[in-house]
Amino acid sequence: KQEVTQIPAALSVPEGENLVLNCSFTDSAIYNLQWFRQDPGKGLTSLLLIQSSQREQTSGRLNASLDKSSGRSTLYIAASQPGDSATYLCAVDQTGANNLFFGTGTRLTVIP
Amino acid sequence: DGGITQSPKYLFRKEGQNVTLSCEQNLNHDAMYWYRQDPGQGLRLIYYSQIVNDFQKGDIAEGYSVSREKKESFPLTVTSAQKNPTAFYLCASMLSGTARVQPQHFGDGTRLSIL
Repeated sequence: KQEVTQIPAALSVPEGENLVLNCSFTDSAIYNLQWFRQDPGKGLTSLLLIQSSQREQTSGRLNASLDKSSGRSTLYIAASQPGDSATYLCAVDQTGANNLFFGTGTRLTVIP
Repeated sequence: DGGITQSPKYLFRKEGQNVTLSCEQNLNHDAMYWYRQDPGQGLRLIYYSQIVNDFQKGDIAEGYSVSREKKESFPLTVTSAQKNPTAFYLCASMLSGTARVQPQHFGDGTRLSIL
């Protein structure tokens, strides 16, 4: 069964720093990989979706990469801001039916 | 304003009681999903529905039931058979039938606690 791991579980950085969040998965036969943001007590907001045939996706200050063969994805956040403070979750879709396997998330705190 | 509405935001259940969590969407999405989130764990899929009057079990369906009588609505019932129901429950929907898979849209969740 697919297992998704996110390291570190928590991360604190000063404002303005660039940072990388990591996601690894055990079964490389995936359809796509998705990154979400979750604010405390709220639902998830989709950030980026990378199809299995793609290497990366970018949206504003966010860049997500995918290396299917090694079972890894990274989310790069440039010039971090206090408003970026949230939990970031990655999830993999193995079938294309969008039945997602989620990681446990990385809780990011950006210190002003 | 389109979106997904979950109600109530907080819910308390007594022992042996069934409770129903509401999920309504006005996004005209065909697919809908229910997840459970526990502290320190990722989201786990309870049930999903790709179309009206059809639904499938996810990884942790035991002790839960759903219905999909209308496209806009996908209520989740937590039955007395679910022995550890305390969790944060999230509903999601997705536009299907497109050339590429679209991301899921989530509601703001219902927090269920046992009295």
